[in-house]
Amino acid sequence: SQKIEQNSEALNIQEGKTATLTCNYTNYSPAYLQWYRQDPGRGPVFLLLIRENEKEKRKERLKVTFDTTLKQSLFHITASQPADSATYLCALDGNYGQNFVFGPGTRLSVLP
Amino acid sequence: DAGVTQSPTHLIKTRGQQVTLRCSPKSGHDTVSWYQQALGQGPQFIFQYYEEEERQRGNFPDRFSGHQFPNYSSELNVNALLLGDSALYLCASSWTGGRTGELFFGEGSRLTVL
Repeated sequence: SQKIEQNSEALNIQEGKTATLTCNYTNYSPAYLQWYRQDPGRGPVFLLLIRENEKEKRKERLKVTFDTTLKQSLFHITASQPADSATYLCALDGNYGQNFVFGPGTRLSVLP
Repeated sequence: DAGVTQSPTHLIKTRGQQVTLRCSPKSGHDTVSWYQQALGQGPQFIFQYYEEEERQRGNFPDRFSGHQFPNYSSELNVNALLLGDSALYLCASSWTGGRTGELFFGEGSRLTVL
């Protein structure tokens, strides 16, 4: 069956360091993958999308990689700040390209 | 430009009751998807509506039903509520013609079933 895993439930890092979050999937062949940020009690907010034919995508301090051979995406936040503390969700497209399947999320805490 | 709005924000029901949740999509969007998010988990896809029809459905029982109106707004109905239906219900809108499929989420409706 299809499955999405995110590396850990929670990740703590020191301010200024680079946070690396992992999204692994099985039994999927997604055309693209998205990353969302979710703050407690709020809806997810779109951050980045990467297509299957793209290896890397950047947006300000964010970088996403996508390895379809390993079936893995890495999400990096450089020069992390306490304001980056949130839960980060990866999502893979299902049928028709608009039904997204979400991973369980990783809760990131950036310590001052 | 208003984003996705959902109502009510919080509600409490008892087992066996029925609930209706409402969603207005972002201006210009024609597709509405509903997700259920249990505490500490990722959102789980319930169903998607486009052109007033259910286009796709996740692994949820028939107790979960929905509707989309001509103005693209949508409702989620849940009958015969169970304790396990307690969750944050998220509405997400998107535009079929969009290249990225980016989902715009509302703030959710927190349902507690006692």
